[in-house]
Amino acid sequence: GDSVTQMEGPVTLSEEAFLTINCTYTATGYPSLFWYVQYPGEGLQLLLKATKADDKGSNKGFEATYRKETTSFHLEKGSVQVSDSAVYFCAPRLQTGGSYIPTFGRGTSLIVHP
Amino acid sequence: DTGVSQNPRHKITKRGQNVTFRCDPISEHNRLYWYRQTLGQGPEFLTYFQNEAQLEKSRLLSDRFSAERPKGSFSTLEIQRTEQGDSAMYLCASSRQGGLDTEAFFGQGTRLTVV
Repeated sequence: GDSVTQMEGPVTLSEEAFLTINCTYTATGYPSLFWYVQYPGEGLQLLLKATKADDKGSNKGFEATYRKETTSFHLEKGSVQVSDSAVYFCAPRLQTGGSYIPTFGRGTSLIVHP
Repeated sequence: DTGVSQNPRHKITKRGQNVTFRCDPISEHNRLYWYRQTLGQGPEFLTYFQNEAQLEKSRLLSDRFSAERPKGSFSTLEIQRTEQGDSAMYLCASSRQGGLDTEAFFGQGTRLTVV
């Protein structure tokens, strides 16, 4: 069935380092793709999205490109800050029964040190 | 727009008791989702409503779990005869009518502890 796989964490980086968090999925068709973020003590919130092949979603310096050929949606940021420390979730809308449901990866914890 | 509201925020119950959680979605949102999240894992989908119709419930964890959305507004999730394994964060999300690119907005969750 449809599923999502996200790289395990924690990812520990120094401030200003480059970040990549990998996400791949298996799906029927071409789902819309989302990254959500959960800051400490807060609820889940949308970070960025892409809805068709080669679309690039971006927000707060983060980017992810919809790669149809590799069924991937890797999250990147060129220079991370301490305030980016959070848990990041890849969440494509995958088919569940007859509906398309936001389906979450296990999450990747990012820890950024000064 | 006050966001998705969940009550209570925390619930401690004894094993074998029934519990009910409430979710109030964003007012114009007709889609509503319930998820369960355990420590170190991503949210696990449980059930989905479009207006008052429960369109997907195959992922409810057992027949002890049930959900309703009687008038297409707020929703309740009930767990009967709770077990220690039910301890988790229960999340509700809502989204507006539209295409498959619409964003889901999440509440803060209800943390259940079964003792």
